[in-house]
Amino acid sequence: DAGVTQSPTHLIKTRGQHVTLRCSPISGHKSVSWYQQVLGQGPQFIFQYYEKEERGRGNFPDRFSARQFPNYSSELNVNALLLGDSALYLCASSLDRWALHFGNGTRLTVT
Amino acid sequence: QKEVEQDPGPLSVPEGAIVSLNCTYSNSAFQYFMWYRQYSRKGPELLMYTYSSGNKEDGRFTAQVDKSSKYISLFIRDSQPSDSATYLCAMSDLMNRDDKIIFGKGTRLHILP
Repeated sequence: DAGVTQSPTHLIKTRGQHVTLRCSPISGHKSVSWYQQVLGQGPQFIFQYYEKEERGRGNFPDRFSARQFPNYSSELNVNALLLGDSALYLCASSLDRWALHFGNGTRLTVT
Repeated sequence: QKEVEQDPGPLSVPEGAIVSLNCTYSNSAFQYFMWYRQYSRKGPELLMYTYSSGNKEDGRFTAQVDKSSKYISLFIRDSQPSDSATYLCAMSDLMNRDDKIIFGKGTRLHILP
């Protein structure tokens, strides 16, 4: 079975630009979560979607937004990029509420 | 005080040794406790989970939760070089509508051949 897939794997953007990250969950998983992992830190919760509905939002500015599509795939959008947005962005899908299955992430570098 | 505290290491131990990894937390509402392993350039992988207090064993891995002390541990027996990775503790109360999981910083573990 395919695991969680994320695209692109790497991305370099300039300050002020916009970025869209994509995630395909494991087949049958209806919940998708997004986490940000800064180097040397643990993942930090950004959003959770279940059945296309936003269930939770972490402590991130409104420049961060997400959505989930009818096929349960998801997009994370970040506007007006800042240097501090450079991080590994992880998508996770789940059947059980706590058993997250992570993809390998998108490494975003903002210059 | 951070919700979850974890020593970042690095922790270096010889092959075959018993490894002890620990986290403390401050939120008494946490009920679900997890350990994830993350290899370099990969996403975290769920190793073990426990609900409330107690022990759970899976092969060479044992997870312990002491809710009275707000302290969780992961023990690795007969450690192997392939166990070299970052280990993240994680926890959640799941009483909220969202499924937010709080992660520790992670402990970098090196098993020396």
